[in-house]
Amino acid sequence: GAVVSQHPSWVICKSGTSVKIECRSLDFQATTMFWYRQFPKQSLMLMATSNEGSKATYEQGVEKDKFLINHASLTLSTLTVTSAHPEDSSFYICSARGKAETEAFFGQGTRLTVV
Amino acid sequence: GQNIDQPTEMTATEGAIVQINCTYQTSGFNGLFWYQQHAGEAPTFLSYNVLDGLEEKGRFSSFLSRSKGYSYLLLKELQMKDSASYLCAVRDGDYKLSFGAGTTVTVRA
Repeated sequence: GAVVSQHPSWVICKSGTSVKIECRSLDFQATTMFWYRQFPKQSLMLMATSNEGSKATYEQGVEKDKFLINHASLTLSTLTVTSAHPEDSSFYICSARGKAETEAFFGQGTRLTVV
Repeated sequence: GQNIDQPTEMTATEGAIVQINCTYQTSGFNGLFWYQQHAGEAPTFLSYNVLDGLEEKGRFSSFLSRSKGYSYLLLKELQMKDSASYLCAVRDGDYKLSFGAGTTVTVRA
C-alpha cells in the first residue's frame, strides 16, 4: 500500500504554545487528507477534511481557529494546534487519499501532551 | 450522520475463532472497512467490503450485508499477536470514515 508519513511521533508542549503536525504522502499525490483525534480508550473522531488548494472542512464541534489545517501541496498537509491546553492532549492521526485510490492510508499518528 | 455499534470486548483462546459483529445506520454508504489498532499506534487496514458477501484474506475474513446494515470480521487460528482493538468504519460518499468505538480482543494462551 501507499506510504503516509506523519511527524512528529510524539510531542510535549507547554500550555499556550502552538504545535504543528505534518502529514506527507511519500509515493502518491494526496488529493484529500483527513485529520482524526483519538482520546484514550475511545475511537477515532474525524476533525476535518482538506482538499489540496482549498480550505479545510471542519466537523461539527471542531474549532477551525484553534486547529489550523493547511493543504498547500499534493503531498503535504499540516495541522497546527494553537494555544494548546491540557485538554488538547490526544493522539492525532492523519490519513491521505489519492484521486484513484479506494482507501485512505494512515500516518503513524502523533501523541500530543500539553503540560 | 453515522451510528456504528460493535461489542466493547471479546476474549478468546489461542488457535480459536472469534467473530466481531458491527451494525451500522448511515446517511450514506460507500464501503465498510475493518482496521486493527494496537495501543499507541495508528490503525492498520484489514479489509474492505462494498458489495454483499464474504471477503477472505488469509486468517481474516469480512462479511457485509447492506440490506441489514451488518458486517462481521472473522479471525481464525488466533495468535497472541492478534490481541488488539478492531475498528469497524463506514465510509460515506465524500470518502469520510466514521469509526465504531472498537472491540478489544484479548487472546489467551
